[in-house]
Amino acid sequence: GENVEQHPSTLSVQEGDSAVIKCTYSDSASNYFPWYKQELGKRPQLIIDIRSNVGEKKDQRIAVTLNKTAKHFSLHITETQPEDSAVYFCAAIRNKLVFGAGTILRVKS
Amino acid sequence: GAGVSQSPSNKVTEKGKDVELRCDPISGHTALYWYRQSLGQGLEFLIYFQGNSAPDKSGLPSDRFSAERTGGSVSTLTIQRTQQEDSAVYLCASSVTGGPTEAFFGQGTRLTVV
Repeated sequence: GENVEQHPSTLSVQEGDSAVIKCTYSDSASNYFPWYKQELGKRPQLIIDIRSNVGEKKDQRIAVTLNKTAKHFSLHITETQPEDSAVYFCAAIRNKLVFGAGTILRVKS
Repeated sequence: GAGVSQSPSNKVTEKGKDVELRCDPISGHTALYWYRQSLGQGLEFLIYFQGNSAPDKSGLPSDRFSAERTGGSVSTLTIQRTQQEDSAVYLCASSVTGGPTEAFFGQGTRLTVV
């Protein structure tokens, strides 16, 4: 089955800096890669996603890149703000949604 | 309803008792997932229902755990003979199909076994 690894497990950045979270997946047939943000005590919510026929997608300060050959995908957050502090989960889908272990992002003001 | 609904929000039970957790997915969503999230941990896959297909039960941690989905809609996760290590937040999610579509999460059920 699919296995998703996520790094780093924790990430601290200064407000205004960029943050990058990286994931790898094992199943080359996976074709959809969503990213979820979970604030403390709340449910995970989708923030951006990318499909296997696209290499990069951007939405304001958030971007995701996908390298199908290497089976890597990454989340990039620019100009980080304190409200970006949360746990971020990457995921991959072939038949079912499989999550990485999560990254705790702390933005220091 | 507009979103995925789970009940109860909180459940405290004594060790050894059985519990049932309920999930009402978004109307029309054929795919339904259950995940377990222990304090400060990730989203542990438990079980996946897709339409009329046999469920993927590969994530259930023991035979004390079971789940049903009746009529392709509401799902119930049952934990028999609860143990303290079962304490966690149980999250349900649904999506339009089992393929590359957004999954929407419920607010979760916080289970505490004392």
